[in-house]
Amino acid sequence: QKEVEQNSGPLSVPEGAIASLNCTYSDRGSQSFFWYRQYSGKSPELIMSIYSNGDKEDGRFTAQLNKASQYVSLLIRDSQPSDSATYLCAEAGGGADGLTFGKGTHLIIQP
Amino acid sequence: DAGVTQSPTHLIKTRGQQVTLRCSPKSGHDTVSWYQQALGQGPQFIFQYYEEEERQRGNFPDRFSGHQFPNYSSELNVNALLLGDSALYLCASSLVNQRSRYGYTFGSGTRLTVV
Repeated sequence: QKEVEQNSGPLSVPEGAIASLNCTYSDRGSQSFFWYRQYSGKSPELIMSIYSNGDKEDGRFTAQLNKASQYVSLLIRDSQPSDSATYLCAEAGGGADGLTFGKGTHLIIQP
Repeated sequence: DAGVTQSPTHLIKTRGQQVTLRCSPKSGHDTVSWYQQALGQGPQFIFQYYEEEERQRGNFPDRFSGHQFPNYSSELNVNALLLGDSALYLCASSLVNQRSRYGYTFGSGTRLTVV
């Protein structure tokens, strides 16, 4: 059974600093990886997707994928209080696979 | 451009009853999947529909069933409700050949409470 592991936190980061979120996965056949942000009581919102080894940058967000080590990370630069949320890491294999999620990391940005 | 819409928003049911949740995918999307999210947990995959067929199923009992209609909308049915079925039920849609790049778009969910 596929597993995605995340540290549940909370992870507390000062405003303006870099927040680093990590995730490991069990299935070497996993092909695509996603970071979702979920505010309390709301639905997940896609932040980044990545499927090739290396870094992918989008604004203040950088996703990193290392398939050999089976880990994915998300860096948030210049963290803002509005970034405070739960960040969910998810993976998908090929074909008709649904997403396998981790339990999420609760991030708190301290003003 | 309408996103994923789900109805109802909230629902309270009694143990043993049956419930139907509805989802309309984002315009242009053809694949719908359903997830159950318990409090403090990540979403758990229930099943995925494409071309009106169930394509993959997660580790959920047969009490959970679904349907996809020709207009790509979908229903999730849960029979013989248990207290443990209380959760946020999320619908997500995607375009089958673009999932790797663009991922899945989630609806706002249906909060089901079983009493």
